[in-house]
Amino acid sequence: DAGVIQSPRHEVTEMGQEVTLRCKPISGHDYLFWYRQTMMRGLELLIYFNNNVPIDDSGMPEDRFSAKMPNASFSTLKIQPSEPRDSAVYFCASSSGQGADGYTFGSGTRLTVV
Amino acid sequence: ILNVEQSPQSLHVQEGDSTNFTCSFPSSNFYALHWYRWETAKSPEALFVMTLNGDEKKKGRISATLNTKEGYSYLYIKGSQPEDSATYLCAFEPGTALIFGKGTTLSVSS
Repeated sequence: DAGVIQSPRHEVTEMGQEVTLRCKPISGHDYLFWYRQTMMRGLELLIYFNNNVPIDDSGMPEDRFSAKMPNASFSTLKIQPSEPRDSAVYFCASSSGQGADGYTFGSGTRLTVV
Repeated sequence: ILNVEQSPQSLHVQEGDSTNFTCSFPSSNFYALHWYRWETAKSPEALFVMTLNGDEKKKGRISATLNTKEGYSYLYIKGSQPEDSATYLCAFEPGTALIFGKGTTLSVSS
C-alpha cells in the first residue's frame, strides 16, 4: 500500500482565494481524520469520518472550513475564503478502528496564505 | 476540555545517554494511549498503542509504560543515538479521535 496520500504537498495562495486539500486514505481503513499543525497549538483535530460519515466536526474553526468524504477512497478539506491565519500544515490520517494499530499519517500539506 | 501534557518540551542529550519523557492525560474516559515518533520533514509514525493499566511495551531501545489510574505514561530511550533525534508525541484516545500533546523534541549529539 502507498500509505495515506495527500495533495498538494505545498500550497501558496492569496487571501480570499479558495483552497482545496485532498486525501486518499489507506484502503480498508474505516476512519479518516483531518488535523492541523501549528507551532502554538500543536496537532489539532478538525474533523473525522467513520465509513464516510462525518462524526465530529467540532474542531472546524468556522464556516469557512468544510470537509467531505464522497467515498471510501477520497476526502477533501476546503477553505473558502482563505485567510493568513489559516497558514499551517494540514495532515490527513486514517485508521482501521479505535485503539487499533494507531493512525497512519499522510505527508501533510503546507498551506501559506499571503 | 481534555488536555494532554508532555514534559519536557525539549531535551538535548549525548549519544549513549538514556532518557525518558512524561505524558499526562485525563484519567477518566480512557480507551487507549498512543506514542508517535515524528522526524523533521516527515509525518508522525506510530510507536506504541497501550490500552491496559500497567502495560509495558518495547521496540528495540525504546519502551513505554502506562498508568491509567493516575493518568500518566513514560517513554524511555536506552542508549540514545543521533538517529533517535525527533519529536515524540503522545496522544490520548477517549473512544473518539486522538487528542495529541505538543510533544517532546529530543536532540542527540554524537
